Amino acid sequence: AQSVTQLGSHVSVSEGALVLLRCNYSSSVPPYLFWYVQYPNQGLQLLLKYTSAATLVKGINGFEAEFKKSETSFHLTKPSAHMSDAAEYFCAVSATGNQFYFGTGTSLTVIP
Amino acid sequence: DAGITQSPRYKITETGRQVTLMCHQTWSHSYMFWYRQDLGHGLRLIYYSAAADITDKGEVPDGYVVSRSKTENFPLTLESATRSQTSVYFCASSESWVADNEQFFGPGTRLTVL
Repeated sequence: AQSVTQLGSHVSVSEGALVLLRCNYSSSVPPYLFWYVQYPNQGLQLLLKYTSAATLVKGINGFEAEFKKSETSFHLTKPSAHMSDAAEYFCAVSATGNQFYFGTGTSLTVIP
Repeated sequence: DAGITQSPRYKITETGRQVTLMCHQTWSHSYMFWYRQDLGHGLRLIYYSAAADITDKGEVPDGYVVSRSKTENFPLTLESATRSQTSVYFCASSESWVADNEQFFGPGTRLTVL
């Protein structure tokens, strides 16, 4: 079985500060991991995904995430927050087949 | 327009009524999915479909019915709506049942059951 835990349902950062959104996963088989972003009143858009090719994954809009098997984590980071980064962020895991298991989401607020 | 569309975007209905949410994709993706999004739960899978006339239950299927007569359409029906089905519903599609495939999401339908 697979599951995802996102610590912190709300995260606030100042514009220009580091963004760190946490995701821990549980999987009985090697997982594939995804980060999606949801802007207000829109659907989910893929930021990046881990597919075992490289542990450090770079995505769109300056985001990246590092897969750490020993910590069962896939935290999302961005060196410098921009106002346009304010959104809901979801981590998801899949392992056998294309069935995704999503975390409960983290709402990111960027303070000017 | 290419992509995945959902209709209606907003719907208000009453307890006990039947309501159908529509989903249409133009990519000819084999797999389609229905999720509901609720505070504190994230997205949970309701049903998915591997192809026309092939559907299967997800995590929270009770109270929902799906059909897929054409590859591009995947309607979700609430046969007798309940207040607990007030939610935001997302349709998604994917090329195949491979674990690292991206799922593409529609814009969502916000459903309120009074």
